Amino acid sequence: GDSVTQMEGPVTLSEEAFLTINCTYTATGYPSLFWYVQYPGEGLQLLLKATKADDKGSNKGFEATYRKETTSFHLEKGSVQVSDSAVYFCALHGGSQGNLIFGKGTKLSVKP
Amino acid sequence: ETGVTQSPTHLIKTRGQQVTLRCSSQSGHNTVSWYQQALGQGPQFIFQYYREEENGRGNFPPRFSGLQFPNYSSELNVNALELDDSALYLCASSDLSILGAANEKLFFGSGTQLSVL
Repeated sequence: GDSVTQMEGPVTLSEEAFLTINCTYTATGYPSLFWYVQYPGEGLQLLLKATKADDKGSNKGFEATYRKETTSFHLEKGSVQVSDSAVYFCALHGGSQGNLIFGKGTKLSVKP
Repeated sequence: ETGVTQSPTHLIKTRGQQVTLRCSSQSGHNTVSWYQQALGQGPQFIFQYYREEENGRGNFPPRFSGLQFPNYSSELNVNALELDDSALYLCASSDLSILGAANEKLFFGSGTQLSVL
């Protein structure tokens, strides 16, 4: 079945460091891909999405490119801030029920 | 602020009991989904309701059931609680309603943290 694999955390970075969180997927067809963010004590928020191959999603300085050839959707940010500390989930829209399928999440901590 | 509210925020139950979790969707959204997020895991799809009918279900047993009401509220009911049911339960609403369609714009609530002892 469809699945998402993302890098294990936690990831600890200093402010202004470069961030990459790897995400790969297995799916039939070409699903839409997402990154969601979960701040402490809050629900999930959509960070960015891409709906077809080579699309680049971007928001708040974060970017991810839908790579069909490598079945990947890695999240990047050039300069992280303390306020970016959160758990990040890669997800795809698929499955037999048309629901979201999430990775296990990667916790990011940014130190001043 | 997503406009989706869940209650209660925390709940403690004992094994074998029944529990009802509640969600108030964003106004105008006719679709609600429920997800279970175990500690250290990503959310897993439980089921989805569209216009008060279940129209999609993940790999969860029948003791997980739900209701959706015309006033944009919904419930998740779990019978015969087991220890493994301890998790954060997330409700998400959207205004896309066709099963299998690109259900891409979900608005999540903050969740109910259920502990089963």
